[in-house]
Amino acid sequence: DTGVSQDPRHKITKRGQNVTFRCDPISEHNRLYWYRQTLGQGPEFLTYFQNEAQLEKSRLLSDRFSAERPKGSFSTLEIQRTEQGDSAMYLCASSLQGGTAELFFGEGSRLTVL
Amino acid sequence: GDSVTQMEGPVTLSEEAFLTINCTYTATGYPSLFWYVQYPGEGLQLLLKATKADDKGSNKGFEATYRKETTSFHLEKGSVQVSDSAVYFCAPGYGSSNTGKLIFGQGTTLQVKP
Repeated sequence: DTGVSQDPRHKITKRGQNVTFRCDPISEHNRLYWYRQTLGQGPEFLTYFQNEAQLEKSRLLSDRFSAERPKGSFSTLEIQRTEQGDSAMYLCASSLQGGTAELFFGEGSRLTVL
Repeated sequence: GDSVTQMEGPVTLSEEAFLTINCTYTATGYPSLFWYVQYPGEGLQLLLKATKADDKGSNKGFEATYRKETTSFHLEKGSVQVSDSAVYFCAPGYGSSNTGKLIFGQGTTLQVKP
């Protein structure tokens, strides 16, 4: 098992452009989470999938953000019309439903909006 | 809403000193409690966890006890090493009966000097 992988690791874009991040969770994990982390802060919850269903979205997730998890495997997070305030590390995590399963995090995708 | 308060950093200690990082939380229900660590240039990884009142989580010489009456989960280590320098995050989480998501504190940076 190679753990949670995220791609790309770094993305620099100009304001107004669209960006997409991909997350491949641990294969048997049915839960997948997206978080955002800015410098000096803890990760903030964005959204959560159980299998292919998106069950919770934070108020932080504006209409410019959309996430999908087709077929309950990998997930994508798209940000449309990026703004400088979107610059952050976007973290993906997965877990196995049941008990008090820990979240396993990827190394993150760093977004810089110029 | 649910929230976590950690002691502010940075915490600077000499090698072999005793470490305490305070964490208190407000949460509905009965969460599990986690400490995650982020070493420089690496992703978040689980350090330890506790799932019910009075449980003690431990790993790599670190310990934390689930104190329901004070809603606290303070992290301790008897003798820190330079390699413990990292950012530590306290996080209550909700297991299989809920979403399983974690709510993170702002993080406490630990610097250990030789």
